[in-house]
Amino acid sequence: QVQLQESGPGLVKPSETLSLTCTVSGVSISNYYWSWIRQPPGKGLEWIGFIHHSGSTDSNASLKSRVTTSVDTSKNQFSLKVSSVTAADTAVYYCARHRSTAGGGKDWFDPWGQGTLVIVTS
Amino acid sequence: DIQMTQSPSTLSASVGDRVTITCRASQSISSWLAWYQQKPGKAPKLLIYDASTLESGVPSRFSGSGSGTEFTLTISSLQPDDFATYYCQQYNSYWTFGQGTKVEIK
Repeated sequence: QVQLQESGPGLVKPSETLSLTCTVSGVSISNYYWSWIRQPPGKGLEWIGFIHHSGSTDSNASLKSRVTTSVDTSKNQFSLKVSSVTAADTAVYYCARHRSTAGGGKDWFDPWGQGTLVIVTS
Repeated sequence: DIQMTQSPSTLSASVGDRVTITCRASQSISSWLAWYQQKPGKAPKLLIYDASTLESGVPSRFSGSGSGTEFTLTISSLQPDDFATYYCQQYNSYWTFGQGTKVEIK
């Protein structure tokens, strides 16, 4: 059974860097693409970025200049950094695995981690 | 960017009702669409992918249809466990979600 677990600080100060890690169990991280998605309190879902162990990454154009993703295959983990955070970055952050029947980026997300709330506050 | 628009935003229904949620894409996405169910404090759960393929373990009262720019999620007979928020998501070009449809008790 594939399981994902997000971890990281729940509070981050404005202008600082948000850092989260997703630990994957039940499958090798090398076999799939992985994404980060966030959800501000009471709002909808926003894709942040994806990573593959090969080094392939991409991120949402609205966040691209502030987002860095990385992968640690030895720990079966991948990570997210969002720099220069503001209150607008307050959200529940989810990690998720990509699944596909067609390949070529035609992926949906399943499963998801339980999510972790990050609050940006001084 | 491909924009996804769901309607209605909120839906009031009773147990046993047939419920339909619509999702429209700002441009054609073929059948590259998924539906998720989210309950308060929980992560989204996959219901349907490729517009109409039911995920394993999901009750058959859920169904999806559509292609191009217009899609629907139908719950044939609403059950107490189905009161939740539902999101569509396109994966034709990057990934974007609809704003969600909350199904509440009438």
